[in-house]
Amino acid sequence: GQNIDQPTEMTATEGAIVQINCTYQTSGFNGLFWYQQHAGEAPTFLSYNVLDGLEEKGRFSSFLSRSKGYSYLLLKELQMKDSASYLCAVTDSNYQLIWGAGTKLIIKP
Amino acid sequence: DAGITQSPRYKITETGRQVTLMCHQTWSHSYMFWYRQDLGHGLRLIYYSAAADITDKGEVPDGYVVSRSKTENFPLTLESATRSQTSVYFCASSESEVAYEQYFGPGTRLTVT
Repeated sequence: GQNIDQPTEMTATEGAIVQINCTYQTSGFNGLFWYQQHAGEAPTFLSYNVLDGLEEKGRFSSFLSRSKGYSYLLLKELQMKDSASYLCAVTDSNYQLIWGAGTKLIIKP
Repeated sequence: DAGITQSPRYKITETGRQVTLMCHQTWSHSYMFWYRQDLGHGLRLIYYSAAADITDKGEVPDGYVVSRSKTENFPLTLESATRSQTSVYFCASSESEVAYEQYFGPGTRLTVT
């Protein structure tokens, strides 16, 4: 079956760096997305990776290794507003998005 | 204002009743999607549509019906609501099914009693 694994919850300190991992096993691969979802709100797009390597966008970076079925989202200079759930999603061979259950990130002062 | 809207935002209904959740987008995006989100699960695709009058099943379509007579609207109907359909429902749209970000509506919190 298709599966995406992310840690359920992580805690980090304001101003620090945190890495949220995502591993996937899907039938084919056509790209990986990261979304941010604040409590009670809709998911919003953060990043998209289709080739191996690191994509940087301000304080957020996303890495992909297709051979390892692995991605991570790196958040630098953490701010309290970064407290949210981070959703990993993979596009499979049928171009369907398969979603992970999300990682709840708690930022402490 | 441009964007994607859902109505109602909150709904309480009884088992066996028919319920329709509305979704409207102003970007003229081709693709529209309906998801449900439950604690401990990722977003699960119910139905999607590639264009007006073209719809297809997702991962969890049973008990749901969709239609898309106009590009901008994509209503989701629960024909006979069950308690297991208590969930948060998100509508989303995108320019393409592949490699494009999806824009999500604010969600509808549905409770079936």
